[in-house]
Amino acid sequence: QVQLVQSGAEVKKPGASVKVSCKTSGYTFISYGVNWVRQAPGQGLEWMGWVSTYNDDTNYAQKMQGRVSMTTDTSTRTVYMELRSLRSDDTAVYYCARDSRLYTNFPYSHYGMDVWGQGTTVTVSS
Amino acid sequence: DIVMTQSPLSLSVTPGEPASISCRSSQSVLQSNGDNYLDWYLQKPGQSPQLLIYLGSNRASGVPDRFSGSGSGTDFTLKINKVEAEDVGVYYCMQALQTYTFGQGTKLEIK
Repeated sequence: QVQLVQSGAEVKKPGASVKVSCKTSGYTFISYGVNWVRQAPGQGLEWMGWVSTYNDDTNYAQKMQGRVSMTTDTSTRTVYMELRSLRSDDTAVYYCARDSRLYTNFPYSHYGMDVWGQGTTVTVSS
Repeated sequence: DIVMTQSPLSLSVTPGEPASISCRSSQSVLQSNGDNYLDWYLQKPGQSPQLLIYLGSNRASGVPDRFSGSGSGTDFTLKINKVEAEDVGVYYCMQALQTYTFGQGTKLEIK
């Protein structure tokens, strides 16, 4: 079955970096892009960005520009999200989610984020 | 960025009764191909979000037919025709043009 399995919880100090992995299985890796979405405690969902597993194109939320990088490793079917210069307000659960989108610009297909990872808790605290 | 505004932010529904959630975007999400790039997600307590509706009105695989999505351009609605206890959680709309954005969420509880 289709699965996205994320790496375990992280505790980081302010100013550090974190790299979360999302290992995929059960489908053709390069046929779907991956989004990253986060949720601060008690808050709503916040889209962070998207990466194409087909050509490594990325599209980041403006708020995240300069601090986030999303990369792929086709050999291990894994997608990574690295967030740098961590602050206390980066404390959140981070989710990866599959998306049929493969290109940055229109036209691109989008059939929703249909499969999600289990979430990775990142705590930023001194 | 496109701003998504949901209403109401919470609702309490008796099982078997209908429910409706509105979502408005600050810009049209209708593309030249005729598709509205608007999804609906449900996050049940303690779980990852799950896809309900994509492209405005298409039910995702495995989603019960009591859920329906409608609307075009900037105004969209999610309807549940007979709410069940398992429908509790927070519902989010999300636009999928270039940089995606979510609405604030609507919390549904059962009376």
